[in-house]
Amino acid sequence: AQSVTQPDIHITVSEGASLELRCNYSYGATPYLFWYVQSPGQGLQLLLKYFSGDTLVQGIKGFEAEFKRSQSSFNLRKPSVHWSDAAEYFCAVGGNNNDMRFGAGTRLTVKP
Amino acid sequence: DSGVTQTPKHLITATGQRVTLRCSPRSGDLSVYWYQQSLDQGLQFLIQYYNGEERAKGNILERFSAQQFPDLHSELNLSSLELGDSALYFCASSAQGDYNEQFFGPGTRLTVL
Repeated sequence: AQSVTQPDIHITVSEGASLELRCNYSYGATPYLFWYVQSPGQGLQLLLKYFSGDTLVQGIKGFEAEFKRSQSSFNLRKPSVHWSDAAEYFCAVGGNNNDMRFGAGTRLTVKP
Repeated sequence: DSGVTQTPKHLITATGQRVTLRCSPRSGDLSVYWYQQSLDQGLQFLIQYYNGEERAKGNILERFSAQQFPDLHSELNLSSLELGDSALYFCASSAQGDYNEQFFGPGTRLTVL
């Protein structure tokens, strides 16, 4: 079965700085990859997804992610972080069985 | 607002009891997914229904069951509750059955005392 690792439990960045959240997956075939964001007390919102094609995926709120098959990674990036980006971020991987696996999440704190 | 509604928002009950969580998907969405989010287990996929039929099963315990009704709302039944079942339970819906964008509800927080 597929699995996801988010190595960073908590990241702090200054407002305006760039951001990269790491995600590594394990799956035997081409995976379906997702990034979700969860604000406190809220459900999850999809930021972006990768199914096939261009390995650089653009999402909402200025986020992008790059699929690197050789590294089994799907890192999330944003060039300039805003205070409103403070939240929990989840990477997820899906296989052919419709069973989506989420990583443990990375909590982002934004310093003023 | 995702358009997915979940009731109740909070539920406090005792060990050994049974509860039912309800989810109404976005208008027109055929798929409903249930997830459990807890501090020690993280976010886990439980089960998916598509147009009334079970489509995929994740880490759902035998004490838990779900169904999707003809009007497409779904219920998650949790029985013989244990302290470890305390968690946030999310429902999500999508238009189709295969990894289309899932829209998450606000969740039901279950506390088992």
